[in-house]
This record gives sequence, C-alpha cells and structure tokens, in this order.
Amino acid sequence: QVQLQQSGLGLVKPSQTLSLTCAISGDNVSSNSATWNWIRQSPSRGLEWLGGTYYTSEWYNYSAVSVKSRISINVDTSKNQFSLQLNSVTPEDTAVYYCARVGASSRYFDNWGQGTLVTVSS
Amino acid sequence: DIVMTQSPDSLAVSLGERATINCKSSQSVLYTSNNKNYLGWYQQKPGQPPKLIIYWASTRESGVPDRFSGSGSGTDFTLTISSLQAEDVAVYYCQQYYTTPYTFGPGTKLEIK
Repeated sequence: QVQLQQSGLGLVKPSQTLSLTCAISGDNVSSNSATWNWIRQSPSRGLEWLGGTYYTSEWYNYSAVSVKSRISINVDTSKNQFSLQLNSVTPEDTAVYYCARVGASSRYFDNWGQGTLVTVSS
Repeated sequence: DIVMTQSPDSLAVSLGERATINCKSSQSVLYTSNNKNYLGWYQQKPGQPPKLIIYWASTRESGVPDRFSGSGSGTDFTLTISSLQAEDVAVYYCQQYYTTPYTFGPGTKLEIK
C-alpha cells in the first residue's frame, strides 16, 4: 500500500521560498511507472495541479504555466522522497499543498499526502 | 487549458435517495485511440485529501461501494450515488487527465436533506 507523508514549514514570508517534502512508502520514487506530483487547494483557486516529476532512464519535470518560472521539483532517491520549492511567494500562494501519485498506466491521482497548510504572511 | 465545470454547486438529498452530479469539460477528454475518457471523480471530506472514487469515467476504484457509479463520454459526465448514506456527505470533484495542465472542477457539496 502506497503512503505519502508530507513535511515542511507552514508559514512563509512574502518573497521567500516555500519548501515541502513528500516521503514515499510502498513505492519507489524512481519507478518507471509512476509520476510524482504537487497539487494545491485554496478557496479562491480550488484544486490546482502545480507540476510533477517522473523517471524513464532520466528525470523529467513538467509544470503548470502559472508557476513554471517559480517551481522546482527535486528528487532524493536515497530517502525515497521528492520535494517542492516555490520561490517568490505572495499571499496568493496561501493554500493547502498536497503531494500525489499517478500510478502505472494511468494519469489519475490514486494516492495523496495528508496535506500541508502553507500560509504566506509577514 | 481544459476548463471543468460542475452542476449543481451544492445538493441536498434524503438518505436512501439518489444523488446526481454533473461535470462538463470545455473540450473532449475521450482519447479515440483507446476509447477511454480521461476523467476521474474524487470525494473530499473535511480535513482530508481528495480520494479517488472513479477513473476512466466509469471504473470504480478498489474498495469504493457499488452505489457509486460514473457515466458519460466526450465532454459530459455524471456521478451517481444510487442510495445516499450518511458517510457520503462530502465535496465531489471531477478532474480531467487528458492533457496537462490537469484540471479539476470547482466541486459539488453534497449534504443530507
């Protein structure tokens, strides 16, 4: 059974960098058949897919245009986890952030982390 | 981007009655080469992440009660709960995974009448 456990700070100052980590159990971040994603949810924007990463002989990242210039998704294979960095945050980035897996031969999100409320405020 | 819309915004149904939620995509999410609709439904309860309940528009995720069913093709889809139970109170979202950016509907809040 796949489980995703999120960690990271819940309060970030404007213009700084939001950082979250998602630790994976029950699957391998380097799996050729899964992609690892970040999604956020806020009252104003609803559920918004931010981006993801996957491995097929090399690592590929893909992201939403709305955050493309600010997002970085990195992988730590030794810890079997992946992370989100979103820089130059504003109060508009206040949201609950989720990591989520897309499993083999699918593109739907079949496993989710527990969510982390990140507030951008000085 | 593919825009997802849902109706109604909220719905109150009596226990044991049928609940129907509609979802529409701004363009077809049917991939003709495999005849699959790239459409999923999620259930979200307060304080929890969304939970996948239906994928490929009509396939129930493992462990999901058979009172939940999905239908539709192309741009118009429906989630039906045949006999509402108290534990079904939640917000329901549709999501297209036909192309990036993956997009979600705004949600339908389901309550007990």
